Parts: sequence; structure tokens; C-alpha cells
Amino acid sequence: GAGVSQSPSNKVTEKGKDVELRCDPISGHTALYWYRQSLGQGLEFLIYFQGNSAPDKSGLPSDRFSAERTGGSVSTLTIQRTQQEDSAVYLCASSLPANVLTFGAGSRLTVL
Amino acid sequence: EDQVTQSPEALRLQEGESSSLNCSYTVSGLRGLFWYRQDPGKGPEFLFTLYSAGEEKEKERLKATLTKKESFLHITAPKPEDSATYLCAVQAGGGSNYKLTFGKGTLLTVNP
Repeated sequence: GAGVSQSPSNKVTEKGKDVELRCDPISGHTALYWYRQSLGQGLEFLIYFQGNSAPDKSGLPSDRFSAERTGGSVSTLTIQRTQQEDSAVYLCASSLPANVLTFGAGSRLTVL
Repeated sequence: EDQVTQSPEALRLQEGESSSLNCSYTVSGLRGLFWYRQDPGKGPEFLFTLYSAGEEKEKERLKATLTKKESFLHITAPKPEDSATYLCAVQAGGGSNYKLTFGKGTLLTVNP
């Protein structure tokens, strides 16, 4: 596609439920990033995928968070047993190696 | 640990009133400094990359400059459509050179 596509754009869930957020990167972009943007905070790095290399998961805040990237393209970020502090905008970005990141519009998650 | 501090947090200008946004950083071996613009409900949009002290880049009413400790985003004769949050990010050299560390941003409002 022409840009990075994320879905859903908005998700409201109850505390304790699991959620999945999806990212479709720009075709041909081998690098994919997930960032979290909380109110009043800067973008927080979560995870990085590059080709077939092992992902850098160092930014995932707890073991309730996981992500996968299938076929080197689409990525899913899963949050299990959601907590209120997980409420944020989750941004996906893709790039060519060593190139500028292009961001999607984000998925806004609200945990009640 | 890489750190990025942006000031002011918010800036309100009248149309045509020039000003500057500041981005102070500490990083182990700067690989690149990035400026992004973020409109409400959207993902960050790339503006500039600066690589070395003394470098300058311009785009329409915006000019970005870089020293060894900080970067400035100068806005000349701003228009209301320049209203947005401006984000600064640094990319360090070394093994994790794909990561961007972001500041919290400056919310710019330009009144007509």
C-alpha cells in the first residue's frame, strides 16, 4: 500500500481482556517498529523487526505484551490481560534499512 | 542512556511571528537527529534528518539546525496550518542504531 495501515483505529476494552493490534507496513519495507505514545509522554520504543533476524523486544514493558511479524510483512501486537495503564496510542512504523521511519496513524487503546 | 528534552512544551504564536523550538540531547555517538510533525489523530510525519554539527536543512517556513548538544527548529512567518506537535528524535550509533529516542514534543499553535 501507499502508507502504513493500522487497525483498529480505536479500541475500547475492559480491564483483563486481551487485545490485538494490526500493522500493514509499506510494501518492500523490511524494518518494522512498534512505539507507544501515552498522554504527556514521548514515543516509547516497544519492538523492532528486521527481515528474518531475531526481533529486538527490549522495549516491551511486561510479559503481557508480545508481537509477531508473519511472512516479513504484517505484524500483530498482542496485549494480554489489559490494565488501565496500557491505555495509549500504539504506533507502527516501517522503513527500508537505515532509512527514515514512516508511521501509521496509530491504534488508540482505551482500557476501562 | 540516550535522552531528548524539548522546550517549550507548548508555544502559542500569532500568524507571522517567527520563533524557535529547542531540542537538547545526550546520546552516545549521534548517528542522526530527526524532526517529525504530528497532527492530532495522526502518526508523526517526517520533516528533516541532520547528521553532523553545523548542518542546516530548510523546507518552506521551517529550518532545522544542529550543534553538538542541541537542535533548533526555526519557524519563519508561521501560518495557522503550521499548528501541530513537533517531535525531535535521536538515533545513536552502535548495535541498536535502528532505534529512535523521542522527546515529548512541542505543541505549536499559530493563531490567525
